[in-house]
Parts: sequence; C-alpha cells; structure tokens
Amino acid sequence: NAGVTQTPKFQVLKTGQSMTLQCAQDMNHEYMSWYRQDPGMGLRLIHYSVGAGITDQGEVPNGYNVSRSTTEDFPLRLLSAAPSQTSVYFCASSYELGGLSPLHFGNGTRLTVT
Amino acid sequence: AQTVTQSQPEMSVQEAETVTLSCTYDTSESDYYLFWYKQPPSRQMILVIRQEAYKQQNATENRFSVNFQKAAKSFSLKISDSQLGDAAMYFCAYKGGAQKLVFGQGTRLTINP
Repeated sequence: NAGVTQTPKFQVLKTGQSMTLQCAQDMNHEYMSWYRQDPGMGLRLIHYSVGAGITDQGEVPNGYNVSRSTTEDFPLRLLSAAPSQTSVYFCASSYELGGLSPLHFGNGTRLTVT
Repeated sequence: AQTVTQSQPEMSVQEAETVTLSCTYDTSESDYYLFWYKQPPSRQMILVIRQEAYKQQNATENRFSVNFQKAAKSFSLKISDSQLGDAAMYFCAYKGGAQKLVFGQGTRLTINP
C-alpha cells in the first residue's frame, strides 16, 4: 500500500518557469490538500479538495492552481515560479474532512526557485 | 481565524528523561480536535496523538500523552522515557468547524545521549 505519493522529491526552477507537483493516493480518500512548510511558520494550507471536481482555496493560494479530475490525483501547478515559492510542499489526504480522521502525508517536495 | 502557537522553537532532553512540549490555540469554538504530528529528519509527517475537545480524559499513546486544558486552550505533549528516535520537529495542529487543519510553528526536539 503506497499511501500518498509525491513527485518529484526535489526540484530547482528559475523565476518565471512553470511546473506541476504530482500527488496520488491509493486509499480512496475523498479529502486531499496541499501544504507548504517554511521555517518558523509551520505548515500552511494552499488548496484543498473534498472530492473529484471540487477544489477550494486555503490560507496561501496565490500563485498556485489545482484540479481534481479523479479521486486519486491532486496535482499542484505553479504558473510562474517566484523565489517566494521556495519551500517544502506536502500533499496530504484523509478519509473524511471532519472529526479525528488524521491526515496522511506524502514525503514532500523540496522546491527551490532561483 | 484560529491560530496555534508553539512558544518553544527548540527543546532538548536527556535520553530516558521526560519532556513536555507546549501548545496553545486561540478559538471561540467549543467543538474541535487537536493533533500532534512528528517530523523526523526523513521529512515524513507522522501522527503522534489526537484529542477530541469534548472528551475530558487526556489521550495517551504508549510513551506519549497530552495535557489538555480546554479552559486555558492548552494542549501540551509529554514524552516519557525519551529515546533517540524521538528527535524530530513536533507540530501541534487544530481542526475546528472549518474542518481545515491549522498548524503551529513547530518545536525542534533534540535528544541528548
């Protein structure tokens, strides 16, 4: 059981380039989300989805797009990378949105924008 | 919006000793959930323990326990018999009516052999 799989593990981009961070889960979880982790700021929610075809913004959505065409996949797109987007990105999923249902995290993507 | 504060950026403890990590949160809700996650150097986020706000009894998972003080809005994590494998970043997190997990800034725990 792979859980939540993120690719790539590391990426270096130049300012202005675009890319997609991939996220897939094989647990049939309805809820998926993207967080970014920055030193001293914990994890901040970028976008989330409560099911296929449904997405919504989190705390820091600017500069990022998402789509959810299937239950399994939830890619995060950087349209025009900026140095401020240098961060570690985590994809997470859970069985349901509410209650004690815990988030299952991928291993993260370390992104550097020069 | 709810906020979660971890006032200790770094903590250290001797192996086999007990350490307590602090977490406070700000909310006007009465029904919510609290979590502690561990992030070792591998970067993987691992659930340590969780608590429902309406339960008075403090949650316990083996060497990990919480001290949940609802009136004080405090949710500290106690690690007993610390082991070298406990060295990690620890994040406190809150989930309320909006159902989105809000994280604190994290506490880096070092275990001294």
